Amino acid sequence: NAGVTQTPKFQVLKTGQSMTLQCAQDMNHEYMSWYRQDPGMGLRLIHYSVGAGITDQGEVPNGYNVSRSTTEDFPLRLLSAAPSQTSVYFCASSFFRTATGAEAFFGQGTRLTVV
Amino acid sequence: QKEVEQDPGPLSVPEGAIVSLNCTYSNSAFQYFMWYRQYSRKGPELLMYTYSSGNKEDGRFTAQVDKSSKYISLFIRDSQPSDSATYLCAMIGASGTYKYIFGTGTRLKVLA
Repeated sequence: NAGVTQTPKFQVLKTGQSMTLQCAQDMNHEYMSWYRQDPGMGLRLIHYSVGAGITDQGEVPNGYNVSRSTTEDFPLRLLSAAPSQTSVYFCASSFFRTATGAEAFFGQGTRLTVV
Repeated sequence: QKEVEQDPGPLSVPEGAIVSLNCTYSNSAFQYFMWYRQYSRKGPELLMYTYSSGNKEDGRFTAQVDKSSKYISLFIRDSQPSDSATYLCAMIGASGTYKYIFGTGTRLKVLA
């Protein structure tokens, strides 16, 4: 059981380049999300999805796009990389059950540097 | 004002100490409260969760929620060097609300 798999683990981009961060989960969770983590800022929600075909913006969506064509995959696209997007990106998948609460499972993160 | 406030630390304690980590929040709709542990260069992992007010104990860890004060705590007894990590509180609202709100995290170092 792989859980949440993120690729790549590290990436260096030049300003203006685009790229896609991949995220896949094998737990059949309906909810998936992308966060960025910066020093002193905690985890900030970029975009999230409550199921295939359904996405919505989080706290810091500008400069990022997402799509959810399958339950398993939730890629994050950087349209035109900027140095302000240098960060560690985490993908998470989670379930929510009233009786047992909620748990988010995180990937190992992608360290992105934009020069 | 942020919805969730957490002291960033860092917090350094000797091995065996009792550690208290805290978060305050402003949104009274939060119902589920969680603590995640994040080791350096790793993704966060769920440590404990609590529904509504009350205490929950799991080994050396105790989570407390006081909804009247909008205050949650995580206590670590007999702290070990392996507990050195960043601890993040997180909370979500009632059924149907999937958006987790995280605190900024508290860095803890337990000295051997």
